[in-house]
Amino acid sequence: DAKTTQPPSMDCAEGRAANLPCNHSTISGNEYVYWYRQIHSQGPQYIIHGLKNNETNEMASLIITEDRKSSTLILPHATLRDTAVYYCIGRTGADGLTFGKGTHLIIQP
Amino acid sequence: DSGVTQTPKHLITATGQRVTLRCSPRSGDLSVYWYQQSLDQGLQFLIQYYNGEERAKGNILERFSAQQFPDLHSELNLSSLELGDSALYFCASSAIRQGVGTGELFFGEGSRLTVL
Repeated sequence: DAKTTQPPSMDCAEGRAANLPCNHSTISGNEYVYWYRQIHSQGPQYIIHGLKNNETNEMASLIITEDRKSSTLILPHATLRDTAVYYCIGRTGADGLTFGKGTHLIIQP
Repeated sequence: DSGVTQTPKHLITATGQRVTLRCSPRSGDLSVYWYQQSLDQGLQFLIQYYNGEERAKGNILERFSAQQFPDLHSELNLSSLELGDSALYFCASSAIRQGVGTGELFFGEGSRLTVL
């Protein structure tokens, strides 16, 4: 799995868009970028993943740069319930996921 | 609700003892993963099973073992427990497409083990 770098923590005001960056400069061509989040001591929750193109689902949008060295997860209208640790993971088709330390996103009222 | 069920939710035991954690994957998922999360180590991948066979092994201690049964539920056995084994243990399951895990893992709520 590619090494990923994320800021340890971020704040965002409730109702605003939360933009979480991730650097993955060593990602290989067949590695997908996955995002998960973990709300305090609960099981991690899958959010979204992508390879080259930008992706959007009901939870978030994923913007991947053209060179694929970085990506941004966007929560369009953050709520207090979005306070969690967000993990960015580079993964090939091989099984298993390696979680790093992630970004602790705190949504402020 | 992810559809993955883990029991027990909480377990307190003493050093040297042995415990078994149980996981029922989502209906139809053939692949089961076990993770350990302690305060100082983060989420650590332990082991993966696919349709009853061991598929991948991570940082799993020799004192720990796992298996997946024909009905696809899995058990993680922890023996000769030490204080440092106190942690949250998560099970996850995923679908398999074209022989490869999809990367969309569905996690249970975990089993919190406390070793005194």
